Amino acid sequence: KNEVEQSPQNLTAQEGEFITINCSYSVGISALHWLQQHPGGGIVSLFMLSSGKKKHGRLIATINIQEKHSSLHITASHPRDSAVYICAVREGGNKLVFGAGTILRVKS
Amino acid sequence: DVKVTQSSRYLVKRTGEKVFLECVQDMDHENMFWYRQDPGLGLRLIYFSYDVKMKEKGDIPEGYSVSREKKERFSLILESASTNQTSMYLCASIQTGDSYEQYFGPGTRLTVT
Repeated sequence: KNEVEQSPQNLTAQEGEFITINCSYSVGISALHWLQQHPGGGIVSLFMLSSGKKKHGRLIATINIQEKHSSLHITASHPRDSAVYICAVREGGNKLVFGAGTILRVKS
Repeated sequence: DVKVTQSSRYLVKRTGEKVFLECVQDMDHENMFWYRQDPGLGLRLIYFSYDVKMKEKGDIPEGYSVSREKKERFSLILESASTNQTSMYLCASIQTGDSYEQYFGPGTRLTVT
């Protein structure tokens, strides 16, 4: 079974800072997902990656398949980015294995 | 707009009670999932269903059962609730094909006293 490790567990940043959240996994995968969870519970999908890099607004996700590592970057961070960011990997089929999440707080 | 709904946002039950958590999706998805989320542990899969009346155990099925009588509805049942089942429960359904995007419900925070 895949082990998914995220770092850091907690992150506090000042508004405007560049933020990086890391995810590593132990076994080959077919895809990696980044998810966002706001206080109150709702989870939304940000990205699905199988190679390279994707960008959506101020969010950038990269993956290095050889190194079994992915990063989520937030440029020009804002207090509304405060949330839990979750990395999840899909080995095959429809099941995901989740990391424990990174709690991000952006202060104004 | 796609939607996954859960029957309750907050629920308080007593030890030994039978608890039903309901999840409904309006996207005609075949695959539905029940997870529990605990601090420091992330989301863990309890059960999933890939078709009506079909189910498979996830990583932590003990103490739970599920029912999928209709495509849009997936129910999680705690046969005899225990305090260690106090948790956030999240339902999801998945869009298969190119996107494989999981759509999550808002979650049910269950407290067993």
